[in-house]
Amino acid sequence: GAGVSQSPSNKVTEKGKDVELRCDPISGHTALYWYRQRLGQGLEFLIYFQGNSAPDKSGLPSDRFSAERTGGSVSTLTIQRTQQEDSAVYLCASSLAHGQGNQPQHFGDGTRLSIL
Amino acid sequence: AQSVAQPEDQVNVAEGNPLTVKCTYSVSGNPYLFWYVQYPNRGLQFLLKYITGDNLVKGSYGFEAEFNKSQTSFHLKKPSALVSDSALYFCAVRDDSNYQLIWGAGTKLIIKP
Repeated sequence: GAGVSQSPSNKVTEKGKDVELRCDPISGHTALYWYRQRLGQGLEFLIYFQGNSAPDKSGLPSDRFSAERTGGSVSTLTIQRTQQEDSAVYLCASSLAHGQGNQPQHFGDGTRLSIL
Repeated sequence: AQSVAQPEDQVNVAEGNPLTVKCTYSVSGNPYLFWYVQYPNRGLQFLLKYITGDNLVKGSYGFEAEFNKSQTSFHLKKPSALVSDSALYFCAVRDDSNYQLIWGAGTKLIIKP
């Protein structure tokens, strides 16, 4: 597709359940980012993938959060044993090679996660 | 510490008037600066960036930003605001240590007809 695609667009689940969020980046983009955006707030970096390198997981808030990127393309963010404070919009972005950090990021429309 | 600040939570401008959304930064090296816009229930869209060169950078939708090294600012501007410019605007600066982006908290721009 032309842009970054995220699914589902909305997810409502009960506290304690596991959720998986999917991101399909722009074809040819080797860098992929996950962010969390709480209501009315800015972006909180979660994790970053660049090609086949080990991901930068420095932003993951707890060990309940994990992400993988298969084949250098599609990425899945998994949240285990969800808590109410996990409620947020989860945004995925991709860019050309991370390089010197001068490439703009292209964002999907996010997954709005609501934990009951 | 490296940081970026957007001192205004909200900016209100009448349609047709010029608009400015402020951003200041603090980095140890040469700054790489970005502006993004977020419309309701959408992801962020890239507007413009400053890496090097002319201090006045032109971007999408008629927006421009002025890099001011002495004031460590990168304010977003537009000569004549449109109601459709109403959105959330984010400034970001590159973190010198890992080349990730450090994001401002966002400024809500409201353009009134």
